[in-house]
Amino acid sequence: GAGVSQSPSNKVTEKGKDVELRCDPISGHTALYWYRQSLGQGLEFLIYFQGNSAPDKSGLPSDRFSAERTGGSVSTLTIQRTQQEDSAVYLCASSRDRYGYTFGSGTRLTVV
Amino acid sequence: QQQVKQSPQSLIVQKGGISIINCAYENTAFDYFPWYQQFPGKGPALLIAIRPDVSEKKEGRFTISFNKSAKQFSLHIMDSQPGDSATYFCAAEQAGTALIFGKGTTLSVSS
Repeated sequence: GAGVSQSPSNKVTEKGKDVELRCDPISGHTALYWYRQSLGQGLEFLIYFQGNSAPDKSGLPSDRFSAERTGGSVSTLTIQRTQQEDSAVYLCASSRDRYGYTFGSGTRLTVV
Repeated sequence: QQQVKQSPQSLIVQKGGISIINCAYENTAFDYFPWYQQFPGKGPALLIAIRPDVSEKKEGRFTISFNKSAKQFSLHIMDSQPGDSATYFCAAEQAGTALIFGKGTTLSVSS
């Protein structure tokens, strides 16, 4: 596609449920990133995939968060046993090299 | 530990004025410093970027000034327009890692 596609655009879930957020990067982009954006907190780095290398998971806030990237393309961010503090916009980005990330429009997650 | 500190949190500028947003960093291994612009409901988009081997980069009305010794860099928006009203993020990166972003500045340009 022409841009980074994220789905769903909005997700409301009950506390304690698991959620999966999907990211389709730009074709040919080898790097893929997940960030979390909370009000007044900027963009918080979560995880970074580069080609076939082991992902940099240093930003994941707890073991309830995990992500995978299948076939070097689509990525899924999974949050288990969601908590209210997980409510945020989850942004995915991809890049061909280290310069110039292209972001999707994000998934707004609300935990009630 | 906030690796990139951005200020101010919000900024109001009159149309035609100069908007200035500042960022400071601590990690001397950072070697790439971009600015991103974000409109409501959209993801951030790359605006302009600089490497530490130059002190200034200009693209149209947008200029980055970089002070390596002070570990500071800033975004200047000349002749600010209402269409520039958005949230601006500075960021920094070292090779092999992902961008670290500041907390953002909400700019409002009044007409």
